[in-house]
Parts: sequence; structure tokens; C-alpha cells
Amino acid sequence: RKEVEQDPGPFNVPEGATVAFNCTYSNSASQSFFWYRQDCRKEPKLLMSVYSSGNEDGRFTAQLNRASQYISLLIRDSKLSDSATYLCVVRTTSGTYKYIFGTGTRLKVLA
Amino acid sequence: GAVVSQHPSRVICKSGTSVKIECRSLDFQATTMFWYRQFPKKSLMLMATSNEGSKATYEQGVEKDKFLINHASLTLSTLTVTSAHPEDSSFYICSAPGHYLSQETQYFGPGTRLLVL
Repeated sequence: RKEVEQDPGPFNVPEGATVAFNCTYSNSASQSFFWYRQDCRKEPKLLMSVYSSGNEDGRFTAQLNRASQYISLLIRDSKLSDSATYLCVVRTTSGTYKYIFGTGTRLKVLA
Repeated sequence: GAVVSQHPSRVICKSGTSVKIECRSLDFQATTMFWYRQFPKKSLMLMATSNEGSKATYEQGVEKDKFLINHASLTLSTLTVTSAHPEDSSFYICSAPGHYLSQETQYFGPGTRLLVL
């Protein structure tokens, strides 16, 4: 089983739609959680951290369920520019800390 | 935010040659850097953690003699792919952890595309 798993998609949605991505992680000792966005042939960029209480940044809402080891990302009112791959990232500490990337979920927003 | 550079951005080499990739933190010091590789349409796979002044920590399945990592200073880590073969062709990205607007983050280099013929 992969340490961090996501539905690879692709998710094809019309502009204005709401779309939700899920992510599960296997290491219960994981400490920090993030969503990154990666455009084709580019490096990943931080979209938002994910906090236990849930957090929102504009059209993006992230939630964490530690008991279920589950992370989600909700995008409201999708824009064409949201088309990208969304990567769920988990920081674990075993000796030294490291970041584990999920398989990524591809989103394509259609006009 | 902080800036991490990577050089070269793209390299094509013959099978059997060695390729060195540099990762530099331009405006901050990084005692730790991470090296990832990414195959087409796949996610980033952590190869190793580079530690300034000490040996790198390699992930399971990554050959340390094949992928040599040197973190010679607080602003430079290098990855050398020794005796490269076509299966080593990939996108290699480095990152350095940090904080931006109080959020924990990673500053990624722009990546290096390696093609081994």
C-alpha cells in the first residue's frame, strides 16, 4: 500500500463546478499535511496547508480527519486556470523528517 | 518567498556518462534539501534527504552509489547520476524546507530534465 494515496483522475469538470479531491495516508504518526498544485512540466507549488480544524482560502477548503487518516480539498466555482495536478503531501518524522507525495489527481476545467 | 535554483534545466547525455545536477538556495541557508524524481504522469518520488555536513539519507530502493549526493555548503546540494542509463531518464527536482507567511512549505527548484540516450 502506498503511503499517500489519491484518485489519479482525471476529473473533467465544467467551469463553475465544485470538485472535491480525497487523499488517505497510512502513517498515523504523520504530522503535517499539505495540498500542492503542479502544472504540466513545472515544479509543485504550495496551495495550502491542512489544519485539524479545517481551513479555507478563497475558493479552496481543506479538511483533515486524523482518526480516518483522510485529507480532502474542495474547490468551488472552478476556473479554467485551476486545471492542474493536485498533490496531497504528508510530512512524517521517522529519524529525520521527510515529505511524502501522493500520486496526484489531475483536474481539467472545461469551458 | 525564497528561491531555489537548479542547474542544468535540461541535459541530454550518452549512456555510461555521469551527470551532475546542482541545487542552490539563493537567499537563504538550507541545512536540509530533498531530491525527488518524477516520471511522466507520475508523482514525485523522494530519492534522498541531503544533509549539510553529513551523509545523505537515501530512501529504500535508491542506490547510493548510483545517485551520489553532496551537500557541501548551506546553499548548495548536488546530485550526480553516475553511469547514466536510459532508465535514469526522468525529471529531477530538489527542494528546501522553509516557511512562507508562517506556513510550513517547501521551496522547489525548477527541475532538471535528464534524457539518457
